[in-house]
Amino acid sequence: AQKITQTQPGMFVQEKEAVTLDCTYDTSDPSYGLFWYKQPSSGEMIFLIYQGSYDQQNATEGRYSLNFQKARKSANLVISASQLGDSAMYFCAMREPSGGYNKLIFGAGTRLAVHP
Amino acid sequence: DAGVIQSPRHEVTEMGQEVTLRCKPISGHDYLFWYRQTMMRGLELLIYFNNNVPIDDSGMPEDRFSAKMPNASFSTLKIQPSEPRDSAVYFCASSSQGWAYNEQFFGPGTRLTVL
Repeated sequence: AQKITQTQPGMFVQEKEAVTLDCTYDTSDPSYGLFWYKQPSSGEMIFLIYQGSYDQQNATEGRYSLNFQKARKSANLVISASQLGDSAMYFCAMREPSGGYNKLIFGAGTRLAVHP
Repeated sequence: DAGVIQSPRHEVTEMGQEVTLRCKPISGHDYLFWYRQTMMRGLELLIYFNNNVPIDDSGMPEDRFSAKMPNASFSTLKIQPSEPRDSAVYFCASSSQGWAYNEQFFGPGTRLTVL
């Protein structure tokens, strides 16, 4: 069963605009963590932001924020003031609450293109 | 900190040959993960270790794949014999125990091409 769903294979945004990348997840465990990673064309995986299931506030890291809607099981990434360097693949991941500590399940990814 | 180190960065080999990928995790991290990334299947966890012990190898595709972690600073992923369908980018990642983030720090990956 697909536990992490990213429904947008590709997105584009105008430079300096904000963009939201969607992520929904499926778990019955009350304790879990959600991550976003960025993969530029060079191939490395870069950690962006983390949201714990018990966190009361939405996580923010600079221009990145996570719109966490627990009841809807969504954890959308919001990038404000997009820059050309934001063009990359973005992966949502969930820390698997069972079957092993610290195991991550990744979504299929969304390719973001930032246009000047 | 040097980050997670992987070698080689690129590997081209012929079908049937043995391939060994290497990984040095971040010092002090007690979890090590091997992933494979392909266009068709995305990012898949192959195996992970905790304190050098394999914990979950359910993602290892076949007996042709094996992984070892002889000490806290070194791990290998071996494919023997290799096949063209093994062509992918293989990532190693490491993490430290603790409830909060435990984000995984990824290495640069090894791009494997099996001809």
